[in-house]
Amino acid sequence: DGGITQSPKYLFRKEGQNVTLSCEQNLNHDAMYWYRQDPGQGLRLIYYSQIVNDFQKGDIAEGYSVSREKKESFPLTVTSAQKNPTAFYLCASEPGQGINEQYFGPGTRLTVT
Amino acid sequence: KNQVEQSPQSLIILEGKNCTLQCNYTVSPFSNLRWYKQDTGRGPVSLTIMTFSENTKSNGRYTATLDADTKQSSLHITASQLSDSASYICVVSGSSTLGRLYFGRGTQLTVWP
Repeated sequence: DGGITQSPKYLFRKEGQNVTLSCEQNLNHDAMYWYRQDPGQGLRLIYYSQIVNDFQKGDIAEGYSVSREKKESFPLTVTSAQKNPTAFYLCASEPGQGINEQYFGPGTRLTVT
Repeated sequence: KNQVEQSPQSLIILEGKNCTLQCNYTVSPFSNLRWYKQDTGRGPVSLTIMTFSENTKSNGRYTATLDADTKQSSLHITASQLSDSASYICVVSGSSTLGRLYFGRGTQLTVWP
């Protein structure tokens, strides 16, 4: 899992509540990413950030929000507008320019009932 | 449309046997192709990264091949071990969008004793 931490590993919430997933990296990487993984599906990009105070929507950004106030932190908020939030969420980081390996965190499994 | 297709969807082999996983992609332009191993409930871990000019790369018992002309890649696992049981994900990076990766759905490999 490299130097990326995600917390908590398991998270349970009631429908209609916002919830924030934590992602921290100590690798001094510029770029950070949030993915969603559903059973039998490939990873889908939610948001990504190439630099502090800047981020871009991915393929499935609706119902999610992010912030990048610090280089090492990229929290993801799952809002009540997200229709089907139950999933496995993965955070990743990479150094930035060039061909680099993306390092993934251990993931957070969110269950909304 | 940029897509990554993997086959087979699942595979069961006996410990000690070899196997080959396939990946076909339509991502264009092409920058590099990656193979990741993902244990259940964990984040993916990189096995290999290959650029356009590389057609073979090894990492221990894992050997990846790339044919950029036919847009095909394979991952060969030699002398399989029980710990090889995991999902193997093919990921393609297109050079037009920095950091954007296209993920296959993965091949679920099970190694039986």
